[in-house]
Amino acid sequence: AQSVAQPEDQVNVAEGNPLTVKCTYSVSGNPYLFWYVQYPNRGLQFLLKYITGDNLVKGSYGFEAEFNKSQTSFHLKKPSALVSDSALYFCAVRDRPYNTDKLIFGTGTRLQVFP
Amino acid sequence: KAGVTQTPRYLIKTRGQQVTLSCSPISGHRSVSWYQQTPGQGLQFLFEYFSETQRNKGNFPGRFSGRQFSNSRSEMNVSTLELGDSALYLCASRPGTYNTGELFFGEGSRLTVL
Repeated sequence: AQSVAQPEDQVNVAEGNPLTVKCTYSVSGNPYLFWYVQYPNRGLQFLLKYITGDNLVKGSYGFEAEFNKSQTSFHLKKPSALVSDSALYFCAVRDRPYNTDKLIFGTGTRLQVFP
Repeated sequence: KAGVTQTPRYLIKTRGQQVTLSCSPISGHRSVSWYQQTPGQGLQFLFEYFSETQRNKGNFPGRFSGRQFSNSRSEMNVSTLELGDSALYLCASRPGTYNTGELFFGEGSRLTVL
């Protein structure tokens, strides 16, 4: 069965410092991986996805993610954090078969950026 | 282009009642899916619809049901509400063409069951 894991409930980082939010996956076949962000009392916003191709994926708001097949990881990164990046981040994998919209989400990581 | 619209945004019900939540997808989007978000269980898939047909269903009891109309708008219904049904219910849509997997989410309907 497809699954993702986010090992950290919370990540704290100072503004201007680089940030990393971790995600590992377990899938059969090639993974379709996603990152979404949720601000308080809001829905989910798509950040980026990996389907195939370049292992470094660039997304919205300056975020990027690195797909690492050998480590089965898909970590979210940003070179310089902003206070406004503080939110809840979810990693997700598409379930099989791939004609479904069903996403399997991780438990979420709360990112707190301090001024 | 307007985003995914969910109504109502907030509602309070009592145990045993039923509730209907509505979702209007982005114009031109034909696929609609629903997710439940709770602090304890996280984000869980409820069901998805495409061209008025339920294409997939999550592991929820039969009290949870949904449908999609010819204009792609969708509703979900929960009957005989339980305290554990308190959650944020999120609707998502995407174009019905090539499935790249990117979903567009609404802001959700927050249901509180007393």
